[in-house]
Amino acid sequence: EDKVVQSPLSLVVHEGDTVTLNCSYEVTNFRSLLWYKQEKKAPTFLFMLTSSGIEKKSGRLSSILDKKELFSILNITATQTGDSAVYLCAGRTQGGSEKLVFGKGTKLTVNP
Amino acid sequence: KAGVTQTPRYLIKTRGQQVTLSCSPISGHRSVSWYQQTPGQGLQFLFEYFSETQRNKGNFPGRFSGRQFSNSRSEMNVSTLELGDSALYLCASSPGTWASEQYFGPGTRLTVT
Repeated sequence: EDKVVQSPLSLVVHEGDTVTLNCSYEVTNFRSLLWYKQEKKAPTFLFMLTSSGIEKKSGRLSSILDKKELFSILNITATQTGDSAVYLCAGRTQGGSEKLVFGKGTKLTVNP
Repeated sequence: KAGVTQTPRYLIKTRGQQVTLSCSPISGHRSVSWYQQTPGQGLQFLFEYFSETQRNKGNFPGRFSGRQFSNSRSEMNVSTLELGDSALYLCASSPGTWASEQYFGPGTRLTVT
């Protein structure tokens, strides 16, 4: 059965801290891994990773995939209160389908 | 471009009733996927439609069904509602190729009493 596990489940930090969120996956015919940020509404897309070892960056956020060890990390540097959200990772299967298998998420709280 | 839209945004139904939810994807996107989100189970895949055909289905009972129209708009239907069907139902739109991202709509919050 396909499975995505995120850790930690929750995290509380102070503004300015750097955080690392973890995602391990066991997904049949793995194709890519996606990261989303969910505040009160719909998840918003952050990154899609398909190749090992290539870091993707967007401002203070970055992410990398290790297809040998089956995990990904999401880094956020110089955290701000606006980064408070649930961060979701999802594995995408091959086979002509858009099915995503989601982890339960990491709830990040950034205190001023 | 306009984003993914879902209607209605909120819905209250009683057990045994049925419900239909609607999703309009981003213009040009041909794939629509549906997900159920609950506090206990997180986001779970329901099904995906591409060019009016169901391309994949998750592990949900037959009470959950869907369809897609020629303009890529999609509907999902839940019959004989149960209390456990209370959830946020999200649809996601993508061009439908393996290298594309999925973009989520705001969701429909369904409460079954």
